[in-house]
Amino acid sequence: GQQLNQSPQSMFIQEGEDVSMNCTSSSIFNTWLWYKQEPGEGPVLLIALYKAGELTSNGRLTAQFGITRKDSFLNISASIPSDVGIYFCAGQTSGTYKYIFGTGTRLKVLA
Amino acid sequence: ETGVTQSPTHLIKTRGQQVTLRCSSQSGHNTVSWYQQALGQGPQFIFQYYREEENGRGNFPPRFSGLQFPNYSSELNVNALELDDSALYLCASSSTPDMSGELFFGEGSRLTVL
Repeated sequence: GQQLNQSPQSMFIQEGEDVSMNCTSSSIFNTWLWYKQEPGEGPVLLIALYKAGELTSNGRLTAQFGITRKDSFLNISASIPSDVGIYFCAGQTSGTYKYIFGTGTRLKVLA
Repeated sequence: ETGVTQSPTHLIKTRGQQVTLRCSSQSGHNTVSWYQQALGQGPQFIFQYYREEENGRGNFPPRFSGLQFPNYSSELNVNALELDDSALYLCASSSTPDMSGELFFGEGSRLTVL
């Protein structure tokens, strides 16, 4: 099935470091969502973006809706061990009902 | 506020059998979407239900079907199970069907087909 390109695929970082990940698409999206998923659980919504260029924060997390509307970025500042998990982006085009998800970025934080 | 709840959490079936998965949407949400998440992949859209009707469908065969009830809860039915149907099935609810809205997921039903 169709999936968005997310990079990096995985990251191992030290506690306290900042993290950046991105998601790219060949299609233009009207909405970007960012999720975190932990083992055995469903994805949890972190941030929603609705406008090109929009920058939105949620605590230590900041996400941006790319100007071209074909990409989005998520940054995590001062990472902590509980940030461990898989981060997914999801995009939706106008007039469709489905979200297309990315391939995921696996984050591991070393204390 | 009650979140999205799914049942069962785990189940094992054999090839050719049929399965029904259930979902209760978040309080105040009238739209339910179902996604399939294979191991190591992102979720894939199966279909969406709004006002008890299928409102959009992904690239899944007709043996994947669903229902939505007047209380907005939903079922996903899969007939003639195949080994590749083994996956985490996620239900997500939202407050509107086609506006850019936020999806809230349940914990999922883990299906294993032997």
